[in-house]
Amino acid sequence: EPEVTQTPSHQVTQMGQEVILRCVPISNHLYFYWYRQILGQKVEFLVSFYNNEISEKSEIFDDQFSVERPDGSNFTLKIRSTKLEDSAMYFCASSEQARNQPQHFGDGTRLSIL
Amino acid sequence: AQSVTQPDIHITVSEGASLELRCNYSYGATPYLFWYVQSPGQGLQLLLKYFSGDTLVQGIKGFEAEFKRSQSSFNLRKPSVHWSDAAEYFCAVGGAGGFKTIFGAGTRLFVKA
Repeated sequence: EPEVTQTPSHQVTQMGQEVILRCVPISNHLYFYWYRQILGQKVEFLVSFYNNEISEKSEIFDDQFSVERPDGSNFTLKIRSTKLEDSAMYFCASSEQARNQPQHFGDGTRLSIL
Repeated sequence: AQSVTQPDIHITVSEGASLELRCNYSYGATPYLFWYVQSPGQGLQLLLKYFSGDTLVQGIKGFEAEFKRSQSSFNLRKPSVHWSDAAEYFCAVGGAGGFKTIFGAGTRLFVKA
């Protein structure tokens, strides 16, 4: 069964540094998403992306965040100047356009900010 | 406002006993409902989903859930719990056709021998 793949599985970064989290969605999917889960808390929506533009974003997704689909297969989340509170598990997801199809989640990237 | 409430932060059941995890939702349109399971440090695995039709849906690992529109609930059940079921369970709404998924806070299941 096709999967959403995320790299790296664990990223350690110094505070203030830029970090890019990478995702390869399922090939025929058209919607792409990023979610965040701070340790011990619930999974929170960050942003959705469709047709090469952001379709929805949460209040968490401020100017330090950006997303990009640089080619036909990758979907990236960039955090420009990381803060300690950015430490979390970041999940990528993708879905087909049809309304009766669920999102498929990757295994996540654990981001640790030192 | 769209939201999902899981009233139980954690539940402990004996192995072999039945399980019911509660979930209530608030959603403006016809909801798409999901249950996910997450083992420590792992990703989210979809247990089951409800989009329409039969209100009792079957999922993987012997789980089932019942959609009750009048109660805005989507409770997860399993008739006999195994030790390997110990994990965090998330109820979620939305998340289809381009709509974001809204997760509940999760219920951590402990299984005792």
